Amino acid sequence: GQSLEQPSEVTAVEGAIVQINCTYQTSGFYGLSWYQQHDGGAPTFLSYNGLDGLEETGRFSSFLSRSDSYGYLLLQELQMKDSASYFCAVRDSPLNTNAGKSTFGDGTTLTVKP
Amino acid sequence: GAVVSQHPSRVICKSGTSVKIECRSLDFQATTMFWYRQFPKQSLMLMATSNEGSKATYEQGVEKDKFLINHASLTLSTLTVTSAHPEDSSFYICSAPGQGVDEQYFGPGTRLTVT
Repeated sequence: GQSLEQPSEVTAVEGAIVQINCTYQTSGFYGLSWYQQHDGGAPTFLSYNGLDGLEETGRFSSFLSRSDSYGYLLLQELQMKDSASYFCAVRDSPLNTNAGKSTFGDGTTLTVKP
Repeated sequence: GAVVSQHPSRVICKSGTSVKIECRSLDFQATTMFWYRQFPKQSLMLMATSNEGSKATYEQGVEKDKFLINHASLTLSTLTVTSAHPEDSSFYICSAPGQGVDEQYFGPGTRLTVT
């Protein structure tokens, strides 16, 4: 099975940098994804790491260390609109295969204050 | 980017009735779609994987006779909650993998309230 741990809540101020960690225990591992979900809305894809290292997409970066079963999402130059829940998700095979599916962490609620 | 729609966005039904939720991929074909359920302030729990032209794969603990899934075409999957009860009230979200293997596109979700 799969289990993921991430902090339940994080608070930061506008303009700051925040890191949301995710550790996982899995029976199989293909990649780690991050999703953002605003209250009442659907999740939206942020980033994906299939290999070790850092992936950067604008203000958001994501890191993976497969040997440590650990990853993080880094949000820079925080804005009020970044207040949302952030989920890490692990899959054990490609999504477009019959076995591909994602297991989500419990989510981290990020509150950005002025 | 790819768009997935869901209908209805909200539904209120009486206990014992059935509700059908549609999930459509609007600008791409999806041989696979995923159905999730999310309770307030909780994570997304995968219920089942919908496969076009074949039976859905249900996760452990999900009653296949209660949550009927039909993936009749490459752009439409439906989830029918049969004999709904108040404990079935939840946010139901579908998703479909993109053309790459990196991401999945989520529908806007359906909020079901059973009274």
